[in-house]
Amino acid sequence: GAVVSQHPSWVICKSGTSVKIECRSLDFQATTMFWYRQFPKQSLMLMATSNEGSKATYEQGVEKDKFLINHASLTLSTLTVTSAHPEDSSFYICSAQLPRDSRYGYTFGSGTRLTVV
Amino acid sequence: GENVEQHPSTLSVQEGDSAVIKCTYSDSASNYFPWYKQELGKGPQLIIDIRSNVGEKKDQRIAVTLNKTAKHFSLHITETQPEDSAVYFCAASIGGTSYGKLTFGQGTILTVHP
Repeated sequence: GAVVSQHPSWVICKSGTSVKIECRSLDFQATTMFWYRQFPKQSLMLMATSNEGSKATYEQGVEKDKFLINHASLTLSTLTVTSAHPEDSSFYICSAQLPRDSRYGYTFGSGTRLTVV
Repeated sequence: GENVEQHPSTLSVQEGDSAVIKCTYSDSASNYFPWYKQELGKGPQLIIDIRSNVGEKKDQRIAVTLNKTAKHFSLHITETQPEDSAVYFCAASIGGTSYGKLTFGQGTILTVHP
């Protein structure tokens, strides 16, 4: 149980275009989701926290107009990279906060490899 | 905010040996400490976690110890196998009525040589 499905697993896009990444909780309601960015051989860096039905909270230094996060339902959060540039190429990972009565605190998606050409 | 330091950055062991990875945290309010294994091109997978009301936890070949006073926790893998080779991350968060955001360590690349 407590599975988060992230799609797509990889995507290549041209500079200047936008890309949407989806994160769905399959068997539980995810009130809170987190979006991370990971560069090669580095740790996960939190980009933003999204709560269902409200605006996302972005970490310092993350451009909220560039990385649009929508959490319109309890089972779906999306990250849209707008006007993508090569420096946006990275591995993006979503995570969901599990319900209070869960054994564990979080579950992670399988990640999306974004390459901007 | 919370800061998590992880060492070593790389660890190479022979199959069958033990591996130990150590982390320190800065926020004494942190009370949930998970460890994740990440394979290339995949998301992190939880391998073990510990809460601040427990000093040690073991699950087969994997164990985690926590020293709240010193604010450090460690991952111990015994009888290592080649399939244990991966990147391991420690993390910390403040859990209460719900879990707060996770702060990750820098990661340890573990290589187990056959």
